[in-house]
Amino acid sequence: GQQVMQIPQYQHVQEGEDFTTYCNSSTTLSNIQWYKQRPGGHPVFLIQLVKSGEVKKQKRLTFQFGEAKKNSSLHITATQTTDVGTYFCAGTGTASKLTFGTGTRLQVTL
Amino acid sequence: SQTIHQWPATLVQPVGSPLSLECTVEGTSNPNLYWYRQAAGRGLQLLFYSVGIGQISSEVPQNLSASRPQDRQFILSSKKLLLSDSGFYLCAWGGPGAETQYFGPGTRLLVL
Repeated sequence: GQQVMQIPQYQHVQEGEDFTTYCNSSTTLSNIQWYKQRPGGHPVFLIQLVKSGEVKKQKRLTFQFGEAKKNSSLHITATQTTDVGTYFCAGTGTASKLTFGTGTRLQVTL
Repeated sequence: SQTIHQWPATLVQPVGSPLSLECTVEGTSNPNLYWYRQAAGRGLQLLFYSVGIGQISSEVPQNLSASRPQDRQFILSSKKLLLSDSGFYLCAWGGPGAETQYFGPGTRLLVL
């Protein structure tokens, strides 16, 4: 079945440093979504990308969908302590089913 | 606007006891409904999903079951809990197809 992996599993940065998480699918995706889960909370939808090579920005967050529509990345510029949490990508494959990635946990310290 | 409720928020149950977790959605009709489990510090494991009343698809064989007695109600059950059933149970709803999913606040279950 479809598998969606994310790397790294965990990253610890100093506030102000940049952060990137990468998402890779075993199959071509029709779209990719990103979610954020704060510690103790539930996943919250951030954004959806649909087009090959698409790039979207939300303030300090930049989301990219790969040209082959099998990978995606989330880049955070100048991290803040409010960015702490686990970031999940989720992709829709051929079965029109959304599969969540393994997640990347981000820790930010002052 | 749509809202999704889950209860209870936390639950401590002995091994071998039954389980019933409830999820309800407001403000939408005929949603797709999902049950996920998340072990501490881990990813989301899809347990069940439903595209309509009485329609349940199981993703992982286990001692849990799900039911959808009403359009906007989704129930997760077990007849006898195992230690390995401990975790954070999340209910989510979405539109038709693989659209964005909106998660409820979750239930933290500890089986002792």
